[in-house]
Amino acid sequence: DIVMTQTPLSLSVTPGQPASISCKSSQSLLHSDGKTYLYWYLQKPGQSPQLLIYEVSNRFSGVPDRFSGSGSGTDFTLKISRVEAEDVGVYYCLQSIQLPWTFGQGTKVEIK
Amino acid sequence: EVQLLESGGGLVQPGDSLRLSCTASGFTFRTYAMTWVRQPPGKGLEWVSAISGSGGNTYYADSVKGRFTISRDNSKNTMYLQLNSLRAEDGALYYCAQTQEGPVQYFGRLTSWGQGTLVTVSS
Repeated sequence: DIVMTQTPLSLSVTPGQPASISCKSSQSLLHSDGKTYLYWYLQKPGQSPQLLIYEVSNRFSGVPDRFSGSGSGTDFTLKISRVEAEDVGVYYCLQSIQLPWTFGQGTKVEIK
Repeated sequence: EVQLLESGGGLVQPGDSLRLSCTASGFTFRTYAMTWVRQPPGKGLEWVSAISGSGGNTYYADSVKGRFTISRDNSKNTMYLQLNSLRAEDGALYYCAQTQEGPVQYFGRLTSWGQGTLVTVSS
């Protein structure tokens, strides 16, 4: 199975400051079709997960533009340009290039 | 508005069976793949199983292969997960998720999630 490793596992951020989460995969997520199948999800406290970013860098419908994704191959990053109170929760990366799909361990983001 | 409602969870003993349901509304059900993801209490997310829009293709995590069966009834806008030979480690909140249809690698795009149904396995 592909192992997804997120760092850090927790992050405390001052509102208005940037935040960055890393996700590294044990194998390349670049498919022969030219796309890279890496996703980012956010699970807010007490809620179900929600899709933020698909295929590395595409924001899902309704996701604020302060969220951005980047990376290639095995190294990926989710950035929040200016953290807001509503961004607290656990962020997960997910790969879907090889079954079974695997999630990272999650990164808990809290506000200082 | 997309709505997904899971049901069927409960407290069962090791070795028992359970059938979970996910009833969908607000979108054309048959044009989407569907996925089950589970989350043990206080822990992270684990992908469990997925099914294509037609129901013709199914996929499983190794941890549940041979014990769980995913299916769907497009006439009822409902997906199912049959859980057999349950183990303590199967205890979790089970989410269903609307999933991008297409080649299987698209199935990581989980576009809408239900609120989950809790399965507890204990003697």
